[in-house]
Amino acid sequence: AQTVTQSQPEMSVQEAETVTLSCTYDTSESDYYLFWYKQPPSRQMILVIRQEAYKQQNATENRFSVNFQKAAKSFSLKISDSQLGDAAMYFCAYRTIFGGTSYGKLTFGQGTILTVHP
Amino acid sequence: DSGVTQTPKHLITATGQRVTLRCSPRSGDLSVYWYQQSLDQGLQFLIQYYNGEERAKGNILERFSAQQFPDLHSELNLSSLELGDSALYFCASSVEAPGTQYFGPGTRLLVL
Repeated sequence: AQTVTQSQPEMSVQEAETVTLSCTYDTSESDYYLFWYKQPPSRQMILVIRQEAYKQQNATENRFSVNFQKAAKSFSLKISDSQLGDAAMYFCAYRTIFGGTSYGKLTFGQGTILTVHP
Repeated sequence: DSGVTQTPKHLITATGQRVTLRCSPRSGDLSVYWYQQSLDQGLQFLIQYYNGEERAKGNILERFSAQQFPDLHSELNLSSLELGDSALYFCASSVEAPGTQYFGPGTRLLVL
């Protein structure tokens, strides 16, 4: 079974600075998807960024980018020019591309609470 | 706003009772997923439907059941409720199955 680990329970950053959130995963599959979701105090789950494992290029969405290291099974999220609105819990998630009982299932990490200081 | 709607937003009930949570997917999405978020278990996948058919099942308790209707909305039924069922229940939807999932605002269930 796949597992996702976020080793940083909490992180903090100054407004306008850059912060990197770590995520590692364990899988025997060669192709899969990885995601970062943001959960602000409203508890809404918001998709931040998506990465297909077969793509070597790291995904980027505005101020958010990832560092995808397939061999190391690492998928970190970099937030540039941090804003107060970035304060939230961030979840890393894995999804298989294959069928079976896990088809479509997102496996989440434990989450990292990000605090942004003005 | 993801376009996924869930009702009710909050639900308070007693042990032993039964509740129904409702989800309407984004327009055009055929697949619906249910997740449970609790303090001790984190975010756990419960079940997935695609165009009315069950596609995948997670660690969903036998006391829980779900279905997806012809109009593609889905309901999650929780029965014989226990204190430990208190959690935030999310519905997500995607166009295809599997696909990138967009989450609703959640239903916060409190069992007293």
